[in-house]
Amino acid sequence: DGGITQSPKYLFRKEGQNVTLSCEQNLNHDAMYWYRQDPGQGLRLIYYSQIVNDFQKGDIAEGYSVSREKKESFPLTVTSAQKNPTAFYLCASSKLGQGAYNEQFFGPGTRLTVL
Amino acid sequence: GQNIDQPTEMTATEGAIVQINCTYQTSGFNGLFWYQQHAGEAPTFLSYNVLDGLEEKGRFSSFLSRSKGYSYLLLKELQMKDSASYLCAAPDSNYQLIWGAGTKLIIKP
Repeated sequence: DGGITQSPKYLFRKEGQNVTLSCEQNLNHDAMYWYRQDPGQGLRLIYYSQIVNDFQKGDIAEGYSVSREKKESFPLTVTSAQKNPTAFYLCASSKLGQGAYNEQFFGPGTRLTVL
Repeated sequence: GQNIDQPTEMTATEGAIVQINCTYQTSGFNGLFWYQQHAGEAPTFLSYNVLDGLEEKGRFSSFLSRSKGYSYLLLKELQMKDSASYLCAAPDSNYQLIWGAGTKLIIKP
């Protein structure tokens, strides 16, 4: 079955540490996205990528980094520069072409807690 | 500016009908999405409206009025499993989705 996987589901990090969240999809989608979700707020776009080896900053990219070396994979690194990293992180993918006209498919999410 | 507004929380009774409203302001218009998200889980796609009017999908229907910048999601014959957050989203001028904060729907027996 095609889908998106994220790991781990729960992640704990000490202050000052970098941590990488995994996102893999086998839907053959060109576009992939990382969102952050905080209580009482809508999803906020961190980074997105429409093609391998290329990605763009979203609204809240500061303190985060990504790579897109393979079509299937779009890992997100939360660096120590991110001042408030505790949140629910969602990865999504979609067909390319008309961008947001296409339904986005989401992974199960990673809940990151900074201790 | 770009903005999407929806109520924070609504309560309804099992078996009843509920309407969740969404108003939007975006640069241009490229359609409007509704997603369902159960607590701690990923959002799942419900509907996408690009033309005015009502689109029905089983117990769920979605309405759009482009002239009023307004949409609603109508849920009929409510079931306990419909307790979830309902997210409204619209593409911006860069084709990236702008998301509302979500409406938490509480279903009571």
